Amino acid sequence: DAGITQSPRHKVTETGTPVTLRCHQTENHRYMYWYRQDPGHGLRLIHYSYGVKDTDKGEVSDGYSVSRSKTEDFLLTLESATSSQTSVYFCAISESQEKGKLFFGSGTQLSVL
Amino acid sequence: SQKIEQNSEALNIQEGKTATLTCNYTNYSPAYLQWYRQDPGRGPVFLLLIRENEKEKRKERLKVTFDTTLKQSLFHITASQPADSATYLCAAGGTGRRALTFGSGTRLQVQP
Repeated sequence: DAGITQSPRHKVTETGTPVTLRCHQTENHRYMYWYRQDPGHGLRLIHYSYGVKDTDKGEVSDGYSVSRSKTEDFLLTLESATSSQTSVYFCAISESQEKGKLFFGSGTQLSVL
Repeated sequence: SQKIEQNSEALNIQEGKTATLTCNYTNYSPAYLQWYRQDPGRGPVFLLLIRENEKEKRKERLKVTFDTTLKQSLFHITASQPADSATYLCAAGGTGRRALTFGSGTRLQVQP
């Protein structure tokens, strides 16, 4: 998967607990993204980053925060997980926005009970 | 708001036939469209990109078209094989610092 590692691959947690998902890349790509994928909705953008410490919101950012302190790492945090955040989370990277091609990680299956 | 629509019903075809998948967009003028393949339990994999000034793009058995008048892209797989069975996602991108917007995908099942 193009040098992208997501961790954990699976997580079960309880409502109200904080959760952090990690995306690590070895490609030195500038852009990193967090998407969630749900049946009937496809991939929806949560947050993205266009450089270290530079991030922006996507269409479904409520309840999520991100941080990027190093080029290779992009963290997604659910401050207080809710059942509506049960989903498959994908991290993606790209070299540039103009060329646009995304490389995706293998995903994290998150279940909030 | 921007919308990328793909047929949510699965497409079932016989091996050897041409599969054609549709992607329509509304409230949007994308600079380019992309197509991805996704297998169960895996992340999407990039297949093709077509820019707004290109009518058609080919790669091996794959062909994609971009019709800015109809606001539509068609994705064709010729001489389809059971190994082509997967979900295919359409995504639209613009200029500047904007991330891709994805459709919900169409599942293709190629019967032997």
